[in-house]
Amino acid sequence: NAGVTQTPKFRVLKTGQSMTLLCAQDMNHEYMYWYRQDPGMGLRLIHYSVGEGTTAKGEVPDGYNVSRLKKQNFLLGLESAAPSQTSVYFCASLRALGDTQYFGPGTRLTVL
Amino acid sequence: QKEVEQDPGPLSVPEGAIVSLNCTYSNSAFQYFMWYRQYSRKGPELLMYTYSSGNKEDGRFTAQVDKSSKYISLFIRDSQPSDSATYLCAMWPSGTYKYIFGTGTRLKVLA
Repeated sequence: NAGVTQTPKFRVLKTGQSMTLLCAQDMNHEYMYWYRQDPGMGLRLIHYSVGEGTTAKGEVPDGYNVSRLKKQNFLLGLESAAPSQTSVYFCASLRALGDTQYFGPGTRLTVL
Repeated sequence: QKEVEQDPGPLSVPEGAIVSLNCTYSNSAFQYFMWYRQYSRKGPELLMYTYSSGNKEDGRFTAQVDKSSKYISLFIRDSQPSDSATYLCAMWPSGTYKYIFGTGTRLKVLA
């Protein structure tokens, strides 16, 4: 039982490049979230999903897209990376609203 | 005004000390309260979860919720160097998708 996994762990991009971050969970959770964590700003919600095939915007969605084609996977895409997207990205999953969230180990992204 | 306020620290204490970590909040709709521990370069992991006012104890950890004062605390007894981490409080207002996180308090326990 791996819980929540994220790939890659680290990535360096140049401005304008694109990439996809993958989150996978093996707990059969309905809800999945993508956060970014920046110093002094805490965890900010980018996008979330309430079930397979659904996605919705969080508080900082600009510059990101997501997809949830399979229940266990939640993908976060950056179409044209900008230095402001340098951050640590965390995925989380939960069984139901109000339950605890289970976090992945994070992806550390640097955009030059 | 932020919905959740948490002192960022850093907080340095000697090994064996009792640590008190706190968060205040402004939204009376918050129903569920959580404390997460985050080691450097790792993801947050759940420490305590509670939904009612009062105390909840788990080993060396005690979570306290005072809904009338909109104040939650995490107490760590007999603190150890392995407790050195950032502690995040989190809250969930019922009926929404969004969890509200504090910015975290960095704790260092000195051997």
